Amino acid sequence: AQTVTQSQPEMSVQEAETVTLSCTYDTSESDYYLFWYKQPPSRQMILVIRQEAYKQQNATENRFSVNFQKAAKSFSLKISDSQLGDAAMYFCAYRDSGNTPLVFGKGTRLSVIA
Amino acid sequence: ETGVTQTPRHLVMGMTNKKSLKCEQHLGHNAMYWYKQSAKKPLELMFVYNFKEQTENNSVPSRFSPECPNSSHLFLHLHTLQPEDSALYLCASSQGGSGGGEKLFFGSGTQLSVL
Repeated sequence: AQTVTQSQPEMSVQEAETVTLSCTYDTSESDYYLFWYKQPPSRQMILVIRQEAYKQQNATENRFSVNFQKAAKSFSLKISDSQLGDAAMYFCAYRDSGNTPLVFGKGTRLSVIA
Repeated sequence: ETGVTQTPRHLVMGMTNKKSLKCEQHLGHNAMYWYKQSAKKPLELMFVYNFKEQTENNSVPSRFSPECPNSSHLFLHLHTLQPEDSALYLCASSQGGSGGGEKLFFGSGTQLSVL
């Protein structure tokens, strides 16, 4: 079964600085999708960024970018110019190319220090 | 109005009570999900409905009973719960049938406490 591991339960970053959240996964599939979801104190999870495994180019969404290393099964999230509103739980998730359920990691709680 | 709405936001119930959680989506999606979020554990998928048909039951105890009367509404009926069932219950929806890359839209959850 696929697993997703987030090894950093908590992280902190100074406002305007850059932080990287780690995620590794285990799969025998070659075609799949990876996601980062953000859960702020409002509890509503929001998709931050999505990566398709067959695409070599790393996905970017404004201040958010990923470092996708397929051979190493690593999918880290980089947040640039951190803002107070970035403080949240961040979940890494994996899904096969078929209609299988998302598999989530345990999450990383990010604090942003003013 | 947000895309996925869950009620109630908080719920406290005794082990002998019967209650229901409600989820409604206004996005025209065809797939709806129930997840359980416990502290320091990954989100656990409970149930999936595609086009009103249950397509996934992730070995959930029978004290949790889902209902999907139409593609916009999803309920989770609760009875004879245990204290370890206390958790945040999240509802989500997606377009359905679009493959593994489709985006899930989540509600704000119901924080359940079982006494």
